[in-house]
Amino acid sequence: EAQVTQNPRYLITVTGKKLTVTCSQNMNHEYMSWYRQDPGLGLRQIYYSMNVEVTDKGDVPEGYKVSRKEKRNFPLILESPSPNQTSLYFCASTLRRGTGGPKNIQYFGAGTRLSVL
Amino acid sequence: AQKITQTQPGMFVQEKEAVTLDCTYDTSDPSYGLFWYKQPSSGEMIFLIYQGSYDQQNATEGRYSLNFQKARKSANLVISASQLGDSAMYFCAMREDGGSYIPTFGRGTSLIVHP
Repeated sequence: EAQVTQNPRYLITVTGKKLTVTCSQNMNHEYMSWYRQDPGLGLRQIYYSMNVEVTDKGDVPEGYKVSRKEKRNFPLILESPSPNQTSLYFCASTLRRGTGGPKNIQYFGAGTRLSVL
Repeated sequence: AQKITQTQPGMFVQEKEAVTLDCTYDTSDPSYGLFWYKQPSSGEMIFLIYQGSYDQQNATEGRYSLNFQKARKSANLVISASQLGDSAMYFCAMREDGGSYIPTFGRGTSLIVHP
């Protein structure tokens, strides 16, 4: 089954304790991205990647790191989480432009609810 | 400036009636795609409908249709014959084909369907 898998689904942590949210896709997609969703603000891009070892900042990258060492995996790292990073996080993937047809929709993971105390 | 604007934080509709959710966008890219996603209370993002900037006809997917007015940069979602299960958050998104190709989302509209 084609899917984007995020882990963990729920996480409660404390300020300053490093954490990693994993994301893996089994569709051989080139493009992967991370969003955070906050009430009233919609989904905002954190980081995205267009290929292995190629990552770019989105609209709200402060306090986050990512890596793309393998095509299927795109972990999100919070080196020193703070309460303002409490949010719902989504990983998404899609085929690169020029493939997958004009629609070429993004596939989303189920989301990770993070609370930083 | 916001690229995607959804001006309706919340909408109410009676079951079996039609409802329109507004979305306007801003881009200078001649080639782009517009998407609508549904997010029920369980949290997952469900793709509903897509409209390409060069598509001549409005997109339709079952009870969903997209009222695309290119000159006005408007891409409103129309849900016909609303059902209780349509109660959810709805997000409009735009992908600029000449840009990062990663969609930008609006702030969403919460739709509640009354019986």
